[in-house]
Amino acid sequence: DQQVKQNSPSLSVQEGRISILNCDYTNSMFDYFLWYKKYPAEGPTFLISISSIKDKNEDGRFTVFLNKSAKHLSLHIVPSQPGDSAVYFCAAREGTYKYIFGTGTRLKVLA
Amino acid sequence: DADVTQTPRNRITKTGKRIMLECSQTKGHDRMYWYRQDPGLGLRLIYYSFDVKDINKGEISDGYSVSRQAQAKFSLSLESAIPNQTALYFCATGRGGLAGGSGTGELFFGEGSRLTVL
Repeated sequence: DQQVKQNSPSLSVQEGRISILNCDYTNSMFDYFLWYKKYPAEGPTFLISISSIKDKNEDGRFTVFLNKSAKHLSLHIVPSQPGDSAVYFCAAREGTYKYIFGTGTRLKVLA
Repeated sequence: DADVTQTPRNRITKTGKRIMLECSQTKGHDRMYWYRQDPGLGLRLIYYSFDVKDINKGEISDGYSVSRQAQAKFSLSLESAIPNQTALYFCATGRGGLAGGSGTGELFFGEGSRLTVL
């Protein structure tokens, strides 16, 4: 049973608009949530994270929101740029070592 | 040079062959991981290691074994490869501690090893 779910396999957004990527989880023991970006032929690279004690974390164009009651987190990219086109994985951490990843959402930003 | 290096980057082999994927890191992290990526399934944990003497199975360890030769080296072996082990394999590292040590708790990934088993 998947503990971390990304229900949208793909998303297309116009350049300059907002991209919203969603992630749902089932395990209330997760204490940390992370977003990774992956380009073809490269390993995933860390983008932004949020602790379970917070509801928002912002870093430049990227903001992650956490709704613990709904067990839902989202990544907002504003404004979206063509270079943001990649596969985005959300991940959740249980304890200090176990990271569970979602299945990924492929974002395409159209110029 | 990459902080987390995987070799080989690409490998094609036949069913029944023994394969080893190697990972080395220069980040000084104590924790190392092997993940497997399949289309539609995301990244799934195969094995993880806290230090040279501490190795643990992940969610899909069957058919795989690992060796932590040193703090900086963690290798993944397929004793007898089968076609459904065709996948993209990633090594990752991280620090210990309550917040991952780095303050943001992230893992650092290598560039991946694409394995095809015919």
